[in-house]
Amino acid sequence: AQSVAQPEDQVNVAEGNPLTVKCTYSVSGNPYLFWYVQYPNRGLQFLLKYITGDNLVKGSYGFEAEFNKSQTSFHLKKPSALVSDSALYFCAVRASNAGNNRKLIWGLGTSLAVNP
Amino acid sequence: DGGITQSPKYLFRKEGQNVTLSCEQNLNHDAMYWYRQDPGQGLRLIYYSQIVNDFQKGDIAEGYSVSREKKESFPLTVTSAQKNPTAFYLCASTGGEGGHPSTDTQYFGPGTRLTVL
Repeated sequence: AQSVAQPEDQVNVAEGNPLTVKCTYSVSGNPYLFWYVQYPNRGLQFLLKYITGDNLVKGSYGFEAEFNKSQTSFHLKKPSALVSDSALYFCAVRASNAGNNRKLIWGLGTSLAVNP
Repeated sequence: DGGITQSPKYLFRKEGQNVTLSCEQNLNHDAMYWYRQDPGQGLRLIYYSQIVNDFQKGDIAEGYSVSREKKESFPLTVTSAQKNPTAFYLCASTGGEGGHPSTDTQYFGPGTRLTVL
């Protein structure tokens, strides 16, 4: 069965420190991987995606993610956290052999708190 | 501006009433989706539509209905059969990025918060 796991419900980090939000996945075929951010009472905003090519993907607001095929992971990172990065982060995956089906499999989300 | 709009932002419903949530997009996207979000449960897919006049049930379709008569519109009706409708509802759409459809990004509207009184 296809699935996405975000093993940490909450991550706390001090402002200025590097942050990592973890994501692991299980799909048949090659994965297409996505990260989104959600601020309170708002819709989800797209941050970045991995389709193919360079394993390090750069996205919006200084975020990046590293695709690791052997560990089936796609962790979200940022070198220096800001208080304004505090939000809910979602990882999602779609299998490359899904054809024209664009449904995404979603993780349960990780709440990031950046402390001043 | 291109984007996805949802209305209303807040909606209150009495028990036994049907209510309809609006979702409109001017991105010329083929596919549209409705999700329900509850605290700690992530996003759960209610219905999706890959093309006009066609839609499929998602994981939690019971108590909900949709229509897709126009490409830009995908309204969701929460019926009285939905036992616990209080939640945050998100609409999304994908398409038109030029590559294979499975690589397309989903873009989201701002959401509608439904509360049953």
